Amino acid sequence: DQQVKQNSPSLSVQEGRISILNCDYTNSMFDYFLWYKKYPAEGPTFLISISSIKDKNEDGRFTVFLNKSAKHLSLHIVPSQPGDSAVYFCAASALKIIFGKGTRLHILP
Amino acid sequence: DVKVTQSSRYLVKRTGEKVFLECVQDMDHENMFWYRQDPGLGLRLIYFSYDVKMKEKGDIPEGYSVSREKKERFSLILESASTNQTSMYLCASSFSLRGAGAFFGQGTRLTVV
Repeated sequence: DQQVKQNSPSLSVQEGRISILNCDYTNSMFDYFLWYKKYPAEGPTFLISISSIKDKNEDGRFTVFLNKSAKHLSLHIVPSQPGDSAVYFCAASALKIIFGKGTRLHILP
Repeated sequence: DVKVTQSSRYLVKRTGEKVFLECVQDMDHENMFWYRQDPGLGLRLIYFSYDVKMKEKGDIPEGYSVSREKKERFSLILESASTNQTSMYLCASSFSLRGAGAFFGQGTRLTVV
């Protein structure tokens, strides 16, 4: 039973536009959410996180939104750049970190 | 520059062999994790440790064991490797069990033949 779901396996976005990656979770005990970015042949790198007491967190071009009632979070990247092409993993934690299956983002020139 | 180092990038082992995957971190983190990454399945937690000699099962611990004798080192052991354990293995460490600021190693691509 998947507790963290990323329903879009891939997403293509024009360079300069906004990329929106979505994530849903089922376990209401999760109280901390994270996004990781992964390039091929490298380990994931931490991007941004949000605590359940907040509904938005910004870091430069990256913003994460949390909707607790819908058990939904999203990552916004604006403007999208070629180097943003990667696999993005959503993760949620209570006492351990559970990852989604990932969304492959392609930034088109 | 902080680091999580996995001892091998690529490994090929035979079915039935005992396999050790080593992970070392230099950040004095209490918490360390082992994941495997498979196509279409994302990252799945095998085991984690929140202190020296302490370990907890993750979501898919069957066929694996771990060892944490020193704070900086967390080893994943495949007692008798099988072909369905062919995968990318990723080690991570974090100051929080919640994963805040977790750093990952570059991964070990293990092939069991």
